Amino acid sequence: AQSVAQPEDQVNVAEGNPLTVKCTYSVSGNPYLFWYVQYPNRGLQFLLKYITGDNLVKGSYGFEAEFNKSQTSFHLKKPSALVSDSALYFCAVRDYNGNNRKLIWGLGTSLAVNP
Amino acid sequence: DGGITQSPKYLFRKEGQNVTLSCEQNLNHDAMYWYRQDPGQGLRLIYYSQIVNDFQKGDIAEGYSVSREKKESFPLTVTSAQKNPTAFYLCASSMSTSSYNEQFFGPGTRLTVL
Repeated sequence: AQSVAQPEDQVNVAEGNPLTVKCTYSVSGNPYLFWYVQYPNRGLQFLLKYITGDNLVKGSYGFEAEFNKSQTSFHLKKPSALVSDSALYFCAVRDYNGNNRKLIWGLGTSLAVNP
Repeated sequence: DGGITQSPKYLFRKEGQNVTLSCEQNLNHDAMYWYRQDPGQGLRLIYYSQIVNDFQKGDIAEGYSVSREKKESFPLTVTSAQKNPTAFYLCASSMSTSSYNEQFFGPGTRLTVL
């Protein structure tokens, strides 16, 4: 079965420290991977995506993510966290090889950046 | 301003009433989606539409209905058959339902059943 997992419900990091939000996936074909961020009581905002090519993807607000096929992971990273990065982060995957018009969503990881 | 608008932001409904949530986009996107978000459950797809006059059920379509008469509009009706409708509802759009297109989200409607 296709799935995506965000193993940490919450991540806490001090401002200025690097942050990582983890995502692993399981799909039958080539994955298309996405990261979104949600601020309280708001809609989701697209951060970045991996379709093909370079395994290191750069996105909005200084975020980047590394696609690792052997570990089936797509972890979100930022070199220096800001308090304003505190939000809910969602990973999503779509199976390229299937007739799948839907995204499979992780349950989200709450990031708290402490001043 | 280009984007997706949802109205109202907050909606209160009495049990047994149908209610319609509005979603409008001016991004000229073909595909539109409705999601439901509950705490700790992530996003669950209710319905999606690939083109005008076409829509498909998602994972939790029971108790909901949609229409897609115009490209820019995709209203969602929460019917009295939906047993637990209190939730945060998100509308999204994308250029198409192709695998590589990211989705753009509206600000959401919080529905509370009294």
